[in-house]
Amino acid sequence: QSALTQPPSASGSPGQPVTISCTGTSSDVGGYNYVSWYQHHPGKVPKLMIYEVSKRPSGVPDRFSGSKSGNTASLTVSGLQAEDEADYYCSSYAGNNNLVFGGGTKLTVL
Amino acid sequence: QVQLQESGPGLVKPSETLSLTCTVSDYSISSGYYWGWIRQPPGKGLEWIGSIYRSGTTFYKPSLKSRVTISVDTSKNHFSLTLSSVTAADTAVYYCARDQDSGTSYRPKGFDYWGQGTLVTVSS
Repeated sequence: QSALTQPPSASGSPGQPVTISCTGTSSDVGGYNYVSWYQHHPGKVPKLMIYEVSKRPSGVPDRFSGSKSGNTASLTVSGLQAEDEADYYCSSYAGNNNLVFGGGTKLTVL
Repeated sequence: QVQLQESGPGLVKPSETLSLTCTVSDYSISSGYYWGWIRQPPGKGLEWIGSIYRSGTTFYKPSLKSRVTISVDTSKNHFSLTLSSVTAADTAVYYCARDQDSGTSYRPKGFDYWGQGTLVTVSS
């Protein structure tokens, strides 16, 4: 199973919105509503930001939102803040009890 | 607050078997949820290795399935990973984590609690 495709990098200015895409196939992203997004600051533990495409765990700021259209899921950060600078990974259920991750996107706050 | 802690050797020789244990605190594994192993090679992204349910039912990444075993010991409240015939490509930070999914059919709902991670280097 191939990894999900994410852009290697994304950037935005403080206060601006930025969207990170996660492209898969009809066998994973497009076929199930089990897409998650993680924030990973280097040297720290990954943090769950979004699950089941658009649900936010308790404690995650509401400027983080998730959506899906066809085989592509998206994470949007509205109102970028300096502390949002991190690596972001998507994951998706891929059927047959299999889970796949994206390659990761490095988000830079300009 | 659920806590997870990985333990095991930080150095493994090529062709040998990597073994790690994840001890869970403040939550009983036998109460539910899926428990998984994820790794991150240096400079690369996250990779799911596999997950296990409290019953012992396991699910593995297809490309690793022939070398991976995940087991659970509810009496010790820990679960373990073994990866056989390791090579340098298996060098990574290995994380254990809890998946929010609590159903009897595996539908991953995101890893909400993670261990700190442990670096395992494969080298002679």
